[in-house]
Amino acid sequence: DGGITQSPKYLFRKEGQNVTLSCEQNLNHDAMYWYRQDPGQGLRLIYYSQIVNDFQKGDIAEGYSVSREKKESFPLTVTSAQKNPTAFYLCASSIVMEQGFYNEQFFGPGTRLTVL
Amino acid sequence: AQSVTQPDIHITVSEGASLELRCNYSYGATPYLFWYVQSPGQGLQLLLKYFSGDTLVQGIKGFEAEFKRSQSSFNLRKPSVHWSDAAGYFCAVANSGGSNYKLTFGKGTLLTVNP
Repeated sequence: DGGITQSPKYLFRKEGQNVTLSCEQNLNHDAMYWYRQDPGQGLRLIYYSQIVNDFQKGDIAEGYSVSREKKESFPLTVTSAQKNPTAFYLCASSIVMEQGFYNEQFFGPGTRLTVL
Repeated sequence: AQSVTQPDIHITVSEGASLELRCNYSYGATPYLFWYVQSPGQGLQLLLKYFSGDTLVQGIKGFEAEFKRSQSSFNLRKPSVHWSDAAGYFCAVANSGGSNYKLTFGKGTLLTVNP
């Protein structure tokens, strides 16, 4: 079945440590996204990538880094510079949008990161 | 900049009752509009979307939504709620022009269903 896989589902780290969240998709989508969700909040965009080896900052990129070496994979690193890293992280993918045409985003199951 | 407002943080309804979740957006042109549902601890699932055409759109699980340009609204409705509908509901808007990818979400409405 096609879909988006995020691992692990739960992740615990000590303060000051970097941690990498995995996101893999087999939908053959060109675009991938990372969102952060806090309790009672909507989703906020961290980074997105529309093509391999290219990515752009979203609204809250500070303290995060990404890479896009393969079409299927878009890992997110939460660095020690992120002041409040405890949150629910969602990965999404979509077909690359063309001029005036939007394709909806498909979401993975999420990773809950807790920094102790 | 585009924005989405969901004025109801939490709604409680009885099973079998009708439901309407409100969504207001701010965007200069005709937007692309979406409703997503999120079960606890899970990702988001698309319920329905509006791009153009008929302003009343049908989605999965018996949901529908109506786009009203004059009110900048895209309210979600269901005639009879089931206990399994208890979840978080998020309205989102996307730029309909250019190559702007950006999807802006509201803060969501948490739906509780009483037996």
